[in-house]
Amino acid sequence: KQEVTQIPAALSVPEGENLVLNCSFTDSAIYNLQWFRQDPGKGLTSLLLIQSSQREQTSGRLNASLDKSSGRSTLYIAASQPGDSATYLCAVFSSSNTGKLIFGQGTTLQVKP
Amino acid sequence: EAGVAQSPRYKIIEKRQSVAFWCNPISGHATLYWYQQILGQGPKLLIQFQNNGVVDDSQLPKDRFSAERLKGVDSTLKIQPAKLEDSAVYLCASSWGQGPLEQYFGPGTRLTVT
Repeated sequence: KQEVTQIPAALSVPEGENLVLNCSFTDSAIYNLQWFRQDPGKGLTSLLLIQSSQREQTSGRLNASLDKSSGRSTLYIAASQPGDSATYLCAVFSSSNTGKLIFGQGTTLQVKP
Repeated sequence: EAGVAQSPRYKIIEKRQSVAFWCNPISGHATLYWYQQILGQGPKLLIQFQNNGVVDDSQLPKDRFSAERLKGVDSTLKIQPAKLEDSAVYLCASSWGQGPLEQYFGPGTRLTVT
């Protein structure tokens, strides 16, 4: 059974700092992996989708990496801003036939001005 | 392009009552998902539709939850009767096709069962 873990559960950093959020999964036989952002009381916003054949994906100040063999993905945020404060969720696709996403519990990030 | 729409945004009911949620996916998206997110946890898939057919409902508590997508566009999720542990945010998502494709989420419906 696939399980996704995100550590730490919460993180507080000063503005401008570069930071890394971690995501690990127990079964390396995944297809794609998707990172999301969730603001309080809101739905999920898709940040990046990494295909299983890719090692990394970039969007603006965000860079996500994927290492299937070790069961890990990281989300790197460069030059963090207070507006980056949110909960970040990673989710894996464990099937090629369905779109079922298995989510981690999320990392709640606070960027202090 | 309009995103995924959901209503209502908030609902408070008493246990044993019934409730229904509505979702309208992104235009042209054939696949629709309902997820349940309990406070402090990641979302959990309840049911996945491809057009108007069910692809996966293995985690749907079928004794009290039901969902339909009759015309392959809008969908409704119903709970009857509700229990206290059903208090959660119910998220609808859509993607253009079946499989490990990027999913787009709506704002969710926050359900409180008292």
